[in-house]
Amino acid sequence: AQKITQTQPGMFVQEKEAVTLDCTYDTSDPSYGLFWYKQPSSGEMIFLIYQGSYDQQNATEGRYSLNFQKARKSANLVISASQLGDSAMYFCAMREGRGNQGGKLIFGQGTELSVKP
Amino acid sequence: DSGVTQTPKHLITATGQRVTLRCSPRSGDLSVYWYQQSLDQGLQFLIQYYNGEERAKGNILERFSAQQFPDLHSELNLSSLELGDSALYFCASSVAREGNIQYFGAGTRLSVL
Repeated sequence: AQKITQTQPGMFVQEKEAVTLDCTYDTSDPSYGLFWYKQPSSGEMIFLIYQGSYDQQNATEGRYSLNFQKARKSANLVISASQLGDSAMYFCAMREGRGNQGGKLIFGQGTELSVKP
Repeated sequence: DSGVTQTPKHLITATGQRVTLRCSPRSGDLSVYWYQQSLDQGLQFLIQYYNGEERAKGNILERFSAQQFPDLHSELNLSSLELGDSALYFCASSVAREGNIQYFGAGTRLSVL
C-alpha cells in the first residue's frame, strides 16, 4: 500500500540558512509523482514542487529543490536561504500512476518549519 | 492565488444539519478533487470527478456526496452532520495529464457545534 512518512514533526532554522525536510515513501507502482505543498497558518495549500518517478534530474523551483533518491525511496525538500515567510507546515504527497488519468494524493503528516530571525 | 475558488470560507452549523460546499476549478481543469483535513486524520482524499463523472472514491462517508456540473464546478454535500465532521475541506483541480499537479483552493473551514 502506498504510504508517505515525514519523521520530523517540527524543525527550526535560522534565517538565510538552508534546511532539509525529510520524506520517505512506499509504493509498488513504478510510475508515481511526488509533491511538496506548503500550508501557512492562514490555511491554504500552496504547491511548491513536483518530481516524477522517471525524471532523471532533481526538480528545482526557485529556492526549492527536491532531493530525489529513488533507491532509498526518499524525496526530501531543500529550502535554500530561508526567509521568515517560509515558516509554515510542509506536506509531502504522492500520487501513483503517471497522472494522465488524474489520481488522488496521499499525504504525510507534515513538518512544521519555524524560521528564526 | 491558485485559481481554484471555494465558498464559503467558513461555515458554522449544528449537529444533524446539512451543508453544501462549492468549488470552482481553474479554467481548463477537468478534474476536481475533494480532501478533508482534520487534526486526528490529517489530509484525506474524499472523491475525484473528471469532466462530470466520478473517477475515484476515497474514505468518504455515506452521509457525504458530491457532484460535478456541466460548467465543471463541483459541490460537496455533507448531511446529518456530527461533531467529528468539523474540519477543513479542500477542493483541488488539475489537468489530467503527465504530472497532474493539483492546485488547491483556500478551503472551507466547517465547525459543527
